[in-house]
Amino acid sequence: DVKVTQSSRYLVKRTGEKVFLECVQDMDHENMFWYRQDPGLGLRLIYFSYDVKMKEKGDIPEGYSVSREKKERFSLILESASTNQTSMYLCASSAAGPLRDTQYFGPGTRLTVL
Amino acid sequence: QKEVEQDPGPLSVPEGAIVSLNCTYSNSAFQYFMWYRQYSRKGPELLMYTYSSGNKEDGRFTAQVDKSSKYISLFIRDSQPSDSATYLCAMSAAAGNKLTFGGGTRVLVKP
Repeated sequence: DVKVTQSSRYLVKRTGEKVFLECVQDMDHENMFWYRQDPGLGLRLIYFSYDVKMKEKGDIPEGYSVSREKKERFSLILESASTNQTSMYLCASSAAGPLRDTQYFGPGTRLTVL
Repeated sequence: QKEVEQDPGPLSVPEGAIVSLNCTYSNSAFQYFMWYRQYSRKGPELLMYTYSSGNKEDGRFTAQVDKSSKYISLFIRDSQPSDSATYLCAMSAAAGNKLTFGGGTRVLVKP
């Protein structure tokens, strides 16, 4: 059974704190993605990675960075959290090749920045 | 204007009815179209995947794509309370490209 896990389901942080969101997949997938989901806006892509140590900006990368040191792990970093980063954060992974459009999602981390 | 538009709902139907969902889009380069289902407090899961125009059927689910009108639809036949979820459309210009999502439509199927 495919599995994408995220380190926390709920997280509360204060403005200015550095925040780490971790994502791990056990499917040996090459591609990994970070999205944020806000009511009425759907999922918006923050960053993605096609390979270890490789990263590319998505549609809304400002205020975020990522790290992919191992194939199975993709971390999202908020260098200095702000209230407008309060959101649901979803991690996803997909295989390379013909199945690359089939993205498997984790359960999400609901982050509140006070 | 958003690249992909989707009515947020909620769409409430009685059990056994047909659920009709749709998305419109503005980017004529989109060729790959997907529907995801998201239950409350869960991540989205892929339901249907279609390429270019036409229909695709999978059990109670039918996906339709009309590229000339930039319009895609998802139909759920014989709806069940377990179909209550948010349905998100997604699309991309090329296989493996990043996906652009609609905002999602919340569906409630009442017993």
